[in-house]
Amino acid sequence: EAQVTQNPRYLITVTGKKLTVTCSQNMNHEYMSWYRQDPGLGLRQIYYSMNVEVTDKGDVPEGYKVSRKEKRNFPLILESPSPNQTSLYFCASSPTQWSRGEQYFGPGTRLTVT
Amino acid sequence: AQSVTQPDIHITVSEGASLELRCNYSYGATPYLFWYVQSPGQGLQLLLKYFSGDTLVQGIKGFEAEFKRSQSSFNLRKPSVHWSDAAEYFCAVGYNTDKLIFGTGTRLQVFP
Repeated sequence: EAQVTQNPRYLITVTGKKLTVTCSQNMNHEYMSWYRQDPGLGLRQIYYSMNVEVTDKGDVPEGYKVSRKEKRNFPLILESPSPNQTSLYFCASSPTQWSRGEQYFGPGTRLTVT
Repeated sequence: AQSVTQPDIHITVSEGASLELRCNYSYGATPYLFWYVQSPGQGLQLLLKYFSGDTLVQGIKGFEAEFKRSQSSFNLRKPSVHWSDAAEYFCAVGYNTDKLIFGTGTRLQVFP
């Protein structure tokens, strides 16, 4: 089944404790992206990657890191999480950067930072 | 700056009633337009899209949307709502480099 998977689905952590949220897609997509969803703000893009070893900042990159060493994986790293990073995070992918915004989304990761 | 506005935060309809969710965008050129649906506890699923051509587009689950350039709108419609349509709906605008700008969402509640 073609899908985008994220792990973990739920995570509660404390301020300053490094964490990684994994994202993997099995569709051989070139483009991958991370979003955060907050009430009243919709989805905002954190980082995106057009292909392996090519990443760039989205609209809200502060406090996050990403890497794209393999085509299928695009982990999101929070080196020192803070309470304002409590949010619902979505990974998404699309065949190419020219897919004009038609993206496939993972199920989401709900992160709580205390 | 490009933006997407969904003026209705929350809409409640009775099952079987018609539905229209509003979306307005701000963008200099012809945009690529999308509606995504997010069911409780789920990721986003693409309902329909508009790239060019016929301004009335059909999507999954009986939804349709109409692109009106003069009004910068892309409203989502369904003639008869089912209880399973209760979800949050996001309008989004896409660009050549695959960047997506989302609206803030409209939560749909359906009463039996």
